[in-house]
Amino acid sequence: AQKITQTQPGMFVQEKEAVTLDCTYDTSDPSYGLFWYKQPSSGEMIFLIYQGSYDQQNATEGRYSLNFQKARKSANLVISASQLGDSAMYFCAMREGLKASGTYKYIFGTGTRLKVLA
Amino acid sequence: DAMVIQNPRYQVTQFGKPVTLSCSQTLNHNVMYWYQQKSSQAPKLLFHYYDKDFNNEADTPDNFQSRRPNTSFCFLDIRSPGLGDAAMYLCATSRDLAGSGEAFFGQGTRLTVV
Repeated sequence: AQKITQTQPGMFVQEKEAVTLDCTYDTSDPSYGLFWYKQPSSGEMIFLIYQGSYDQQNATEGRYSLNFQKARKSANLVISASQLGDSAMYFCAMREGLKASGTYKYIFGTGTRLKVLA
Repeated sequence: DAMVIQNPRYQVTQFGKPVTLSCSQTLNHNVMYWYQQKSSQAPKLLFHYYDKDFNNEADTPDNFQSRRPNTSFCFLDIRSPGLGDAAMYLCATSRDLAGSGEAFFGQGTRLTVV
C-alpha cells in the first residue's frame, strides 16, 4: 500500500527566509503523482504544486518548489521568502490509481504546521 | 469564484440525530470525494463517486452514506452521529484523467456533535 510520511509536526521560520518541509513516500507503482496542499485555519485545502513520477525536472510554482529525489523517495517542499500568510498546515499527498474504479484517490501525510515569525 | 462549495461551513447536531452535509461543484468533474479530517490528523477518505459509481473505503463505518443525484451535487449522510464523528468533512473533485490531476477541495464543513 502507498504511504506518505511527514516527520516534522511543526516548523518555525523567520519572515523572508526559506524553509523546507520534508516528505517521503512509499509506493510500488511506477506511475504516481505527488502533491502539496496548504490548509489555513479556515480549513480549505489549497493546491500548491504537483510532481509527476516521470517528470525530469523539479516542479516550481512561484515561491514554491518541489525537491524531488526519486531514488530516495522524497518530495520536499521548499518555500522561498516566507511571508506571514504562509503560516498554515502543509500536507504532502500522493495520488493512487484505483484499478477497480478506474480512477484515483489521494492519500495524505500527517502534515507539518508552519509558523512564520515576524 | 469558489468551484467546490460545501454547506454549511459549521454544523452542530445532536448525538444520534441524522445530519446531511452537502457539496456542489462547477468544474464538471467526474470524480467526487468525501474526506473526514479529525483534529491534527491527515484527511481520511470515506468514499468517492466516479460519475454515478459509488466506491466505499473498506473501513468506512456503515453510519456514513452518500448520494450523488447529478454531476454537480454530492451529499454525505451520517445516520446516527456519535461524539467520535466530530470532525472536519472535506469534499473534493478531480477529473478522471492522467496528468497533474490535482484534487480541488471545498472549504469544508466542521461538524460538532453535542
